[in-house]
Formats: sequence, C-alpha cells, structure tokens
Amino acid sequence: GQQVMQIPQYQHVQEGEDFTTYCNSSTTLSNIQWYKQRPGGHPVFLIQLVKSGEVKKQKRLTFQFGEAKKNSSLHITATQTTDVGTYFCWVGDYKLSFGAGTTVTVRA
Amino acid sequence: DAGVIQSPRHEVTEMGQEVTLRCKPISGHNSLFWYRQTMMRGLELLIYFNNNVPIDDSGMPEDRFSAKMPNASFSTLKIQPSEPRDSAVYFCATTITGRRTEAFFGQGTRLTVV
Repeated sequence: GQQVMQIPQYQHVQEGEDFTTYCNSSTTLSNIQWYKQRPGGHPVFLIQLVKSGEVKKQKRLTFQFGEAKKNSSLHITATQTTDVGTYFCWVGDYKLSFGAGTTVTVRA
Repeated sequence: DAGVIQSPRHEVTEMGQEVTLRCKPISGHNSLFWYRQTMMRGLELLIYFNNNVPIDDSGMPEDRFSAKMPNASFSTLKIQPSEPRDSAVYFCATTITGRRTEAFFGQGTRLTVV
C-alpha cells in the first residue's frame, strides 16, 4: 500500500523563526493536499498541489511539490502563535491516506 | 451549507454499552469517511463509503465496530460493546469523488469509555 512519511513529527519553533515540514511518499503521486488541525479542532484543508515542481503561497506559507511528484514541503516564514497545530499531508486517490502529521508548537 | 455535522460532540459511556455516532455529510458529497484519532495512533481511516456503499472497511478494528450509510445524507458508526481503548475522537469527513477535491471534516465526537 501507499506509504507516507512526514518529518519531523514534532517541531518546536521560536516565534519569528522559519521552519519546514516534509511529506515523502514511496510512490509517485497524482496530487497532494495539506491540512491543518488546531489543538482541539478538526483538520481543515489548506491547499492542493497537482503539477510537478508546483509552488503555491498562502501569505507566510509556501507549499512545494517535488519534481518527481514523490514529496512535498510546507515552509512557514516568521512563525506566529497562530501557526500552532498539526499539519497533515494527504495522498491517495479514492482513499484519504494521511501522514502522521507534524505537530508545531511556538514559544513566544 | 452548515458543513459536515456530527453528533454528539461529546459522549461518555460505561464499558459494555452501545455507542452510536452520527454524521450528516455536506449535500452533494458522495464520498464519506470515518476516522479515529488518538495520540498514540494519529488519524486512522476506519471506513470509506462511496455513493452510500462501503468500499473499504479494512480499517475497522474489530467486529465490535460497524458503520452504515442508509442514504446520502446520513451515516452512523456503532460500537457494541464499547471498551475503554475505544476512547478517541471520531471524525467524519466528506468529499466529492475524484482525486482533486478537498475533504471537509466534521467537528468530531470525543468518546470516553469508562
């Protein structure tokens, strides 16, 4: 079956710093989606990447799809306390297969 | 649309009791997923329905768990009998079948079995 690995599993960041989380697949992907779950909340869709090498930005968040369409990254610039939560990547066709997520905490 | 609606939001029950979780998908969404989330195991897919038909139930942990989707606007996840290790947050998510559509999650049901 499809294997998805997210790294790191935990990210503790100083407010104002940048960080990157990665999603790696064992197989070539048709597309990838990213979700964010705030503490006590539910996963919420952030973005979808479809094309090889695609880069999309949402304010301080930059999402990238690898050239081989086997991995993706989420880079957050100037981390804020509002960025706290768990970021999941989703890969798969009929089946929503989520990575284990990267849980982000921020120290002020 | 009010989004995916799950009920109850919280459920506390005694071991051995039957528990029924409910989900109302977004109108027009024909794919429905039940997930279980715990600290130890993360977000686990339990079962997937497409057009009200169970397509993949390989994630259902054991026979104590069952899920139904009698029509396009309602699904249930039942645990009978419940056990303390079933304590978790259960999410329902829906989407439109296809590889390029986002999934919408309900707010979840936090189940505690004592």
